Formats: sequence, C-alpha cells, structure tokens
Amino acid sequence: QVHLVESGGGVVQPGRSLTLSCAASGFTFSNAMHWVRQAPGKGLEWVTVVSSDGRNKYYTDSVKGRFTISRDNSKNTLYLEMNSLRPEDTAIYYCARAGEYGDYLAHWGQGTLVTVSS
Amino acid sequence: EIVLTQSPGTLSLSPGERATLSCRASQTVTSAYLAWYQQKPGQAPRLLIYGASSRATGIPDRFSGSGSRTDFTLTISRLEPEDFAVYYCQQYSSSPRTFGQGTKVAIK
Repeated sequence: QVHLVESGGGVVQPGRSLTLSCAASGFTFSNAMHWVRQAPGKGLEWVTVVSSDGRNKYYTDSVKGRFTISRDNSKNTLYLEMNSLRPEDTAIYYCARAGEYGDYLAHWGQGTLVTVSS
Repeated sequence: EIVLTQSPGTLSLSPGERATLSCRASQTVTSAYLAWYQQKPGQAPRLLIYGASSRATGIPDRFSGSGSRTDFTLTISRLEPEDFAVYYCQQYSSSPRTFGQGTKVAIK
C-alpha cells in the first residue's frame, strides 16, 4: 500500500529557511513526485514536481529561485528546501506521487504545516 | 499558464440528488490531462478521476468525468452522505500544473 509521510514543518521567521521531507513506502519509488500546498482556509496550489530520475524539475512562479525540490531514490525520500520564506508561504504542504498513466496526483501524504511568522 | 475556473462555487443538494460540477480551462487541456480530487475537512485530497474520464482505483461508479479541450464536468449521479466535500479539478498537460478554486458540495 502506498504510504507517504511528510515531516519538517514548523514555525519559522520570515527570511529563514526550512527543509521538508517526504518518506515513501509501499511502492517502487520511480514515479514523478510533487509538492502541493494549501494556505489556511484556501484552495490547493501546485508548487513543484521532480521527474523519476531527479533531472527535470518545474516550479510555480511564486517559488522559483527560493524553493528546490530533490529526491534520494536510494532512501525513497523526497525533499523540499525552502529559502527566503515569506508569510504567504504559510500552508499545509503535501507531497504526492504521480500516477501510473500520467502526471496526475494519485497518492497524497497527510501534509505538514509550515507557518512563516515573526 | 492554464487557468481553471470551477462553477458553481457552492452546490447545495440533498442526499440522493445528482451533482454536476463544471471546470473550464483558459486554453485547451491537451490529451484530456484533467483530474478531479475530493477533499474533506482536515484530510488530504483524494484522486477521483484522471484523464478526464477514468475513475481511480476504488472510486464508486456514481462518480463520472467527461469533457475535452476547455470544458470538463464531474458528475455524481446520486449523492451519498460521504460525498459532501470540496472538489477540485487540476490540469497536468502543461507546467505550471494548476488547480481550479474548488466547488463545495454542501448538504441542503
């Protein structure tokens, strides 16, 4: 059974950094992987994706140059390094696995909350 | 960037009724790379439909998706109590991937 567990969230001051992790189990860690976020009381916002081999990465404009997605296939773990954090980055961050037949979000973790506040 | 506009914002219906949710794209979603997700309060989203019309594993057949190019629809044929939730469409034909703003299906 596919299992995704995010960790690393917390309260951080504006301008500081934080790295999120997503531990995957129950499947071969060979699909593209995504991060999606949801600000409190708001809708879903796609953040970034990394290809199965880690070579190709895409970001939404608001995080380009500040966030970096990466993966360690030997550890079945996905990462999101977040720098220069802003109050508007406050959200629940979900990792999600792409599907077998396309880049839809087939499986989701339970999310980790990041709060950017002084 | 493809902008997805969902309507209505809120749909108030009774159990047993039919729900029809719309998702309109600002430009063609190639290859019908359109998905639908359900989210309940305090939970992560769950995939319902991918490829505009293919049900994900374990999704009841009362959920169906249709559409192409710029107009897509999610239909719930007979609402069950557990179907009252927020529904999002998402396109994955181009980057950035984008979501609609969501439609809340509420109990009337």
